[in-house]
Amino acid sequence: EIVLTQSPATLSLSPGERATLSCRASQSVSSYLAWYQQKPGQAPRLLIYDASNRATGIPARFSGSGSGTDFTLTISSLEPEDFAVYYCQQRSNWSGTFGPGTKVDIK
Amino acid sequence: EVQLVESGGVVVQPGGSLRLSCAASGFTFDDYAMHWVRQAPGKGLEWVSLISWDGGSTYYADSVKGRFTISRDNSKNSLYLQMNSLRAEDTALYYCAKDMDSSGWYDYWGQGTLVTVSS
Repeated sequence: EIVLTQSPATLSLSPGERATLSCRASQSVSSYLAWYQQKPGQAPRLLIYDASNRATGIPARFSGSGSGTDFTLTISSLEPEDFAVYYCQQRSNWSGTFGPGTKVDIK
Repeated sequence: EVQLVESGGVVVQPGGSLRLSCAASGFTFDDYAMHWVRQAPGKGLEWVSLISWDGGSTYYADSVKGRFTISRDNSKNSLYLQMNSLRAEDTALYYCAKDMDSSGWYDYWGQGTLVTVSS
């Protein structure tokens, strides 16, 4: 079973700052990695799929990179609505496992 | 507009059974695979089950295999999750999610239905 780890667990930043979130897989997932954003009381929202493709309607300040075992989600300049929990997810053999999440909160 | 509306979540005793439903609208339901994903209170996300567009293929997380059954009725644009032999650790908010072009990514989610397993 592929295990995903995310770091840091919490990222405290101010609006306008750059956020860099990391996701590491226990073995290669090629480019089969996605990122989701979840705000309190809301369902998750797909941000990035196949490591670097923005989902429909996602602002350009969100970008994804990486392949194999190491992946990064970058938010170039944090807007107030971006403070949330971010999960990475990999898919293999039809199952999808998630990382534990990174909380981006206001400094 | 794509909408997914889950229902059926209640408080149930350990060992009990429950069926969740998800009503879909705003897209051609029988073109897409569908998933159930759950989230225990204050915890992260856990994929539960997948069903292909025609219901011919189903897959389960090891934690629910043999206890849960996913199904769909394309004539009713509905997805289901039959949950048997429920355990305390099944307590969670259960989301149905639409698969994005059989990619394994979830591009639309419902708001979830809460299942609580407690005596």
